[in-house]
Amino acid sequence: QVLMQESGPGLVRPSETLSLTCSVSSVSVSSGLYFWSWIRQSAGRGLEWLGYIYHSGSTDLNPSLSSRVSLSVDTSKNQFSLTLSSLTPADTAIYYCARRWTNNAFDIWGRGIMVNVSA
Amino acid sequence: SYELTQAPSVSVSPGQTADITCSGDALGSKFVTWYRQKTGQSPVLVIYEDHKRPPGVPERFSGSKSGNTARLIITETQALDEADYYCQAWASDCVVFGGGTKLTVL
Repeated sequence: QVLMQESGPGLVRPSETLSLTCSVSSVSVSSGLYFWSWIRQSAGRGLEWLGYIYHSGSTDLNPSLSSRVSLSVDTSKNQFSLTLSSLTPADTAIYYCARRWTNNAFDIWGRGIMVNVSA
Repeated sequence: SYELTQAPSVSVSPGQTADITCSGDALGSKFVTWYRQKTGQSPVLVIYEDHKRPPGVPERFSGSKSGNTARLIITETQALDEADYYCQAWASDCVVFGGGTKLTVL
């Protein structure tokens, strides 16, 4: 059974940078079959795709966030990570990592991590 | 930016059929995906590529599309189907989600 689990801080200050990691089990992030994704959900913005990364390191990012988002993958640890800079309270959300399968269908999701941006 | 429009809520009686719609410009030329999200849980994939069911999703769930409107149909609706349902598509170099439809089984 494929499992994905997010980790990182639950509280970050405005203007700071958020770093989250997704640990993946039972499937290799080196698999060429999948893209590894970040999606967030807030009451105000609903579900919002941040971007995804391939095992090669190539990325596809949400154009509206691309100036603040960076993705990386660590195949040796079977993990991938999100960095989101210049945080504001509007970035407060549940952040999910997810596996992108065929034609942009996300078939496996982590449990999500709540991140609050507050002074 | 591209938008997918869903009705905020749909109500159905147990055993009846729920019809959840999603509309967007040129949606007919895009693959539509559907997710179910129960309160406090992560989204779960229920339909991909407009009408295909992943393993483990009951046959009561089906997807269709006509013109610029996609539909998620749930037959013989049960109390356990109460959830938020989201559609999703790829548009304007971006994954886009609909605003979600809250399904209430009365």
